[in-house]
Amino acid sequence: QSVLTQPPSVSAAPGQKVTISCSGRSSNIGNNDVSWYQQLPGTAPKLLIYENNKRPSGIPDRFSGSKTGTSATLGITGLQTGDEADYFCGAWDTSLSVGVFGGGTKLTVL
Amino acid sequence: EVQLLESGGGLVQPGGSLRLSCAASGFTFSNYAMTWVRQAPGKGLEWVSAISTLSGSTYYVDSVKGRFTISRDNSKNTLYLQMSNLRAEDTAVYYCAVSNLNYDRADYWGQGTLVTVSS
Repeated sequence: QSVLTQPPSVSAAPGQKVTISCSGRSSNIGNNDVSWYQQLPGTAPKLLIYENNKRPSGIPDRFSGSKTGTSATLGITGLQTGDEADYFCGAWDTSLSVGVFGGGTKLTVL
Repeated sequence: EVQLLESGGGLVQPGGSLRLSCAASGFTFSNYAMTWVRQAPGKGLEWVSAISTLSGSTYYVDSVKGRFTISRDNSKNTLYLQMSNLRAEDTAVYYCAVSNLNYDRADYWGQGTLVTVSS
């Protein structure tokens, strides 16, 4: 069981918007930055969002992140079939002194 | 361009050992913390271990403490993970990743190396 909690799956139609939640506790999300990763089928994960809401160079602004208290959210607008992937949230856990991930959310673009 | 190339994976019997390597290029290796993350077949990501820039600090998930050792050689731009007393549940693709100094993100990832623990 993962330390951070994500829904197993979400789906939406092309062009629509979807959000993916990530819930934790004060020792991780509550007091540390959240990052988000996209893993396309058969590939390594890629950093999508860091420091809760910042996008690395090359990541389109269709992807956004936010954090409130012990929860974080990834938003994707203008969905494309190429966005079908697994999405993971991550953070440092100060109490455990380890990194922690969510269990991952599979996005299906119908 | 940042490149991370893992090697050393393979099939090993339970109780056996393996050493994974991660050759880094395209950035100043000694300026960045490094992390190992694994992914069991069909499962999610699991953070395994991290090491600071000068190896002064190391961190491990409980399930590998006492069995895995992370190290780095900044003169060779290489990260290592020495794994011993391997168990079936260690079977996974192991990724090395470039971290920030707070260890709260993985900026770049290698392609991964598969470790299979089976008799």
